[in-house]
Amino acid sequence: KAGVTQTPRYLIKTRGQQVTLSCSPISGHRSVSWYQQTPGQGLQFLFEYFSETQRNKGNFPGRFSGRQFSNSRSEMNVSTLELGDSALYLCASSQISGDNEQFFGPGTRLTVL
Amino acid sequence: KNQVEQSPQSLIILEGKNCTLQCNYTVSPFSNLRWYKQDTGRGPVSLTIMTFSENTKSNGRYTATLDADTKQSSLHITASQLSDSASYICVVGPRGASKIIFGSGTRLSIRP
Repeated sequence: KAGVTQTPRYLIKTRGQQVTLSCSPISGHRSVSWYQQTPGQGLQFLFEYFSETQRNKGNFPGRFSGRQFSNSRSEMNVSTLELGDSALYLCASSQISGDNEQFFGPGTRLTVL
Repeated sequence: KNQVEQSPQSLIILEGKNCTLQCNYTVSPFSNLRWYKQDTGRGPVSLTIMTFSENTKSNGRYTATLDADTKQSSLHITASQLSDSASYICVVGPRGASKIIFGSGTRLSIRP
């Protein structure tokens, strides 16, 4: 069974631009969660989607948004990029929402110049 | 407030030696606890997952223990190898809640 895939793997943007990251969960998994990880920081929870609905949201500004499609694939969008948005963005999928084992993708490394 | 604290923040040991990483949590009620290994620039990979009724689980050279009474867990690595150099993250799942809680991780470096 294929694992969680994320595209692109690496991305370089400039301040003020916007970016869209994509995540394809493991087949059969309906929950997708997004995390931001900066150097020296732990994983910071962004949001979770289940069956195309946002179930939970972390403490991030409204510039961070996401959505999930009927095939469970998910996208995350960041608008008006700031230097501090440079990070590794991780996507994790699980079979159901809530307290369930998550499987992580390789991440997208975003650099904002 | 539900929290997960890991210690030490970083650790350097020689190849072949054993080490133990600690995780203390205040999450209640508690459902399960997981340890992940994260190589630099990669996504975390699950090592072990334990429910509140389990007190030890092994995965090769990795052994996790759990004391639900004291709310402590440890990850013991035996006969360390260079490939064990990574961050190890403790994650706690609250019972009945949908947001799991991550520790900030322990950065382990294995020296030849």
